[in-house]
Amino acid sequence: QVHLQESGPGLVKPSETLSLTCTVSGGSVNNNIFYWSWIRQPPGKGLEWIGYVHYSGNINYNPSLKSRLAISVDTSKNQFFLKLNSVTAADTAVYYCVRAYRTGTFRPLDIWGQGTLVTVS
Amino acid sequence: AMQMTQSPSSLSAFVGDRVTITCRAGQDIGKDLSWYQQKPGKAPKLLIYAASTLQSGVPSRFSGSGSGTDFTLTIRSLQPEDSATYYCLQEFNYPCTFGQGTRLEIK
Repeated sequence: QVHLQESGPGLVKPSETLSLTCTVSGGSVNNNIFYWSWIRQPPGKGLEWIGYVHYSGNINYNPSLKSRLAISVDTSKNQFFLKLNSVTAADTAVYYCVRAYRTGTFRPLDIWGQGTLVTVS
Repeated sequence: AMQMTQSPSSLSAFVGDRVTITCRAGQDIGKDLSWYQQKPGKAPKLLIYAASTLQSGVPSRFSGSGSGTDFTLTIRSLQPEDSATYYCLQEFNYPCTFGQGTRLEIK
């Protein structure tokens, strides 16, 4: 049973860097069919796709965040990471780490972490 | 970014009813659409991918259809536990984009 768990500070000051870690257990990040993703959800609002990283180093970012964003993976620790710099109150959200898996030409988001609320204040 | 227009934004139905939620893509996305269910305080859960493929473990009363720009999530024989917010997601174009959500209330 694969499990994803987010960790990191719950409170970040404006203009500073939001850093989150996702620890993957019960499976390996080192697998060609998986894409390790971040999704966020501001309180009371909808879902926003942030981006993904593949163990090979292939990354894809939401252009709306790209200039402030870095997503990376550490296969030795079975973790992947999110860094978002120069944060503002608009970055306050529940951040989810999520596994997408490639099946044919599709990449559904099949396993989600429980989410972690990050408040910028 | 491609806009995904989901409707209705909310609906209310009785146990046993059949409900339909629609999602319209800003351009042809083939069948590259998935549906998610989110209950309050919980992470979303994958219901359907590739427009109509039921994710393992999801009850068969959930079904999806459509291709191109117009997609539908249907829930037959509504159950109390189906009360949730439902989102569509397109992954045809990056950035992936979600619909704005449909809140389903069970009367």
